[in-house]
Order: sequence, then C-alpha cells, then structure tokens
Amino acid sequence: AQTVTQSQPEMSVQEAETVTLSCTYDTSENNYYLFWYKQPPSRQMILVIRQEAYKQQNATENRFSVNFQKAAKSFSLKISDSQLGDTAMYFCAFMRVTGTYKYIFGTGTRLKVLA
Amino acid sequence: DARVTQTPRHKVTEMGQEVTMRCQPILGHNTVFWYRQTMMQGLELLAYFRNRAPLDDSGMPKDRFSAEMPDATLATLKIQPSEPRDSAVYFCASGPSTFLAGYNFGPGTRLLVL
Repeated sequence: AQTVTQSQPEMSVQEAETVTLSCTYDTSENNYYLFWYKQPPSRQMILVIRQEAYKQQNATENRFSVNFQKAAKSFSLKISDSQLGDTAMYFCAFMRVTGTYKYIFGTGTRLKVLA
Repeated sequence: DARVTQTPRHKVTEMGQEVTMRCQPILGHNTVFWYRQTMMQGLELLAYFRNRAPLDDSGMPKDRFSAEMPDATLATLKIQPSEPRDSAVYFCASGPSTFLAGYNFGPGTRLLVL
C-alpha cells in the first residue's frame, strides 16, 4: 500500500524568504501523480501544483516549485518570496494511475509566514 | 469560475440524529469523492464515485454511513445514527477523467455531534 510522509508538522518563514516543505512516499508503482494542496484557515483545499512521475522536469507555478526525486521517492515543495497569504496547512498527495485514482494524503505541514 | 458546492456548511446535532450532507460537483466532472478530516486521523477517504457508480467505500463505516449519487449533479453522505466521534469536517471533491488536472474540493461541512 502507498504511504505519504510529511515529517515537518510545523514550519515558519519570514516574509519574502524561501521555504521548502518535504514529502516522501512509498510505492511500487512506476507511474503516478503527485500533488501539493494548500489549506488556509478558511479550510478550503486549494491545488497548488502537480507532477507526473514519468516527467523528469520539475513542475513550477509562479512562486511554487517542486523538487521531484523519483529514485528517492521525494517530492518537496519550494515557496519563494513567501507572502503572508501563504500561511496555511500544506498537504502532499499521491495518486496512482490505475485503480481508483484516489488521493493518499500526508499528515500535513503547518506553515506560518512571519511579517 | 466553477466550484464544488456543499450544504450545509455547518451542522450541530445531537447524538443519535440523522445527518445528511449534500454536494454538487462541478458540471462535467465524472469523479466524486467524500473525504473526512479530523485532527487525529487527517484526511480519510470515505467514498468514491465514477460516473455515479460507487467504486470504493472501504473507508466508510458501513453500519452508520451511506453515500449515494442519485444523479450527476448531486452526491449525498448520510450518517444514521450520528455519534460524537463523527464530529469532523467532511469534504466533497470532484474531478474530470483527465486525472492530472487534480480534484476540486468543496468548502466542507463542519459537523459537530453532541
């Protein structure tokens, strides 16, 4: 069975600085998708960035980028130029491309951006 | 901007009462999930529908929970009878068949069972 581990329960970063959130996963699958979701205090789950496992190029979305290391089964999220609005819980999610296509979520990292 | 809608947004009820939560997926999305979020367990999958057919409800307590999709515009999650341990935020998510697009989550129903 697939598992997703986020080893940093809480992190903080100064506004305008860069922060990296870690995520590791365990799977025997060769192809899959990985996602980062943001959950601000409103509790709305917002998709931040996505990555296909068979693509070696790391995904980027504006200030958000990932470092995808397939052999190490690592999928970290880098937030550049952190803003106060980035304060939120961040969840890493794994999805197989066969079967039920359901997300397996990590336990989340609570990020606080400090003014 | 298409969104997943959920009703009610908040629900307080007494133990033993029936609770029904509703979800309207984004038009055209054929995949619908119900997730439950608690501090202790995190995000847990309860049920999964594709083209209105239930495909995976292994995470759902069958004795008291039921999930249905009476039509493509409505998914329901029912708890009968409710218990205090069911207190949580229940999310509905929908997605298209192109799975890399990711799933869109609704705002959640915050349930408190006294």
